[in-house]
Amino acid sequence: GQSLEQPSEVTAVEGAIVQINCTYQTSGFYGLSWYQQHDGGAPTFLSYNALDGLEETGRFSSFLSRSDSYGYLLLQELQMKDSASYFCAVREDAGNMLTFGGGTRLMVKP
Amino acid sequence: DAGITQSPRHKVTETGTPVTLRCHQTENHRYMYWYRQDPGHGLRLIHYSYGVKDTDKGEVSDGYSVSRSKTEDFLLTLESATSSQTSVYFCAISESAGSGANVLTFGAGSRLTVL
Repeated sequence: GQSLEQPSEVTAVEGAIVQINCTYQTSGFYGLSWYQQHDGGAPTFLSYNALDGLEETGRFSSFLSRSDSYGYLLLQELQMKDSASYFCAVREDAGNMLTFGGGTRLMVKP
Repeated sequence: DAGITQSPRHKVTETGTPVTLRCHQTENHRYMYWYRQDPGHGLRLIHYSYGVKDTDKGEVSDGYSVSRSKTEDFLLTLESATSSQTSVYFCAISESAGSGANVLTFGAGSRLTVL
């Protein structure tokens, strides 16, 4: 089986930097993705790492270390609108199944 | 939304009744998925489709069936709804297989309550 672990909740202040970690245990690995979901909304794709290292997309960056089975999402210059749940997801095999973590609820305070 | 419509958006039904949720896409994507979302469990894959009439089971497929007779439509059916199937159901699409499967576009969701 597979499991993904991420903190259930993180709180930070506006303008700060926050890191959301994700560790995974899977029999195979074909990439780590991150999704954002606002309350009552649909998940939306943020970033994807297939190889080790940092991927940057504006204020958001995602990091992957395959040897450590670990990744993180880094959010810079936090804004109130970044308050949402963030999910990491792993594709365990060469097929199309994506397995999601339980999500991290980020609360941004003024 | 990227051309994905789910219907109905909200439904309340009674235990033992059949329920069908519809996902319609206008993106002509080959791959379609049904997930359910429950507090503390994230998103769990129910079934997915890799083409017309081609479907496969996901992590939590018991009690659910799917059909895909056209590229644009993917139906999820609960033959006899149970209270444990109360959830928010999301349809998703991806343009390609492989690494493309890591990038999903989700519909707005269908909230189902089984009394």
